[in-house]
Amino acid sequence: DVKVTQSSRYLVKRTGEKVFLECVQDMDHENMFWYRQDPGLGLRLIYFSYDVKMKEKGDIPEGYSVSREKKERFSLILESASTNQTSMYLCASRPGSGNTIYFGEGSWLTVV
Amino acid sequence: AQSVTQPDIHITVSEGASLELRCNYSYGATPYLFWYVQSPGQGLQLLLKYFSGDTLVQGIKGFEAEFKRSQSSFNLRKPSVHWSDAAEYFCAVGPSGGSYIPTFGRGTSLIVHP
Repeated sequence: DVKVTQSSRYLVKRTGEKVFLECVQDMDHENMFWYRQDPGLGLRLIYFSYDVKMKEKGDIPEGYSVSREKKERFSLILESASTNQTSMYLCASRPGSGNTIYFGEGSWLTVV
Repeated sequence: AQSVTQPDIHITVSEGASLELRCNYSYGATPYLFWYVQSPGQGLQLLLKYFSGDTLVQGIKGFEAEFKRSQSSFNLRKPSVHWSDAAEYFCAVGPSGGSYIPTFGRGTSLIVHP
């Protein structure tokens, strides 16, 4: 089975802190994604990556950056966390030749 | 541009009753269609998917969905709901091939009464 692991399930950070959300997939997938999920808004794409060191902005990239130094790892970075970034963050991956996206269990971030 | 509409924000059913969750999509060609389920506090799990062929697709946990091109719909059904089916359900659409990015609906929250 495909495994997408988000190492931090629950985080509480202070306004202005730098936050790292880590995601690792074990199936050698080329594509990786970061989504943000808020009630009533569904899933919104923050960034995606289709290869190592490659990244593309999604629908809501402001206030976020990403890093993909290795194929299996895709990190989401909040340079200076703000309270409006309190949310559930979902990482996902997809093989280059496939069409099914596989999700991690999510990271709940609270910024106080 | 592709889009997905899930018209129902919440659906309430009694345990044992049948269920239908609606999904309408907008896409110019034949889409890839998905249904995902999200239990409270968890990530999304794939229930079923449609790429081509038989328009009635069987998934896990007793769910099925029917692709109707004429209605641009991909509704999810289950003949008898269990209390454990209470969750958020997301429909998604994506173009075939390439480095596509799927579009998700806003989700339908299913509440199951005993």
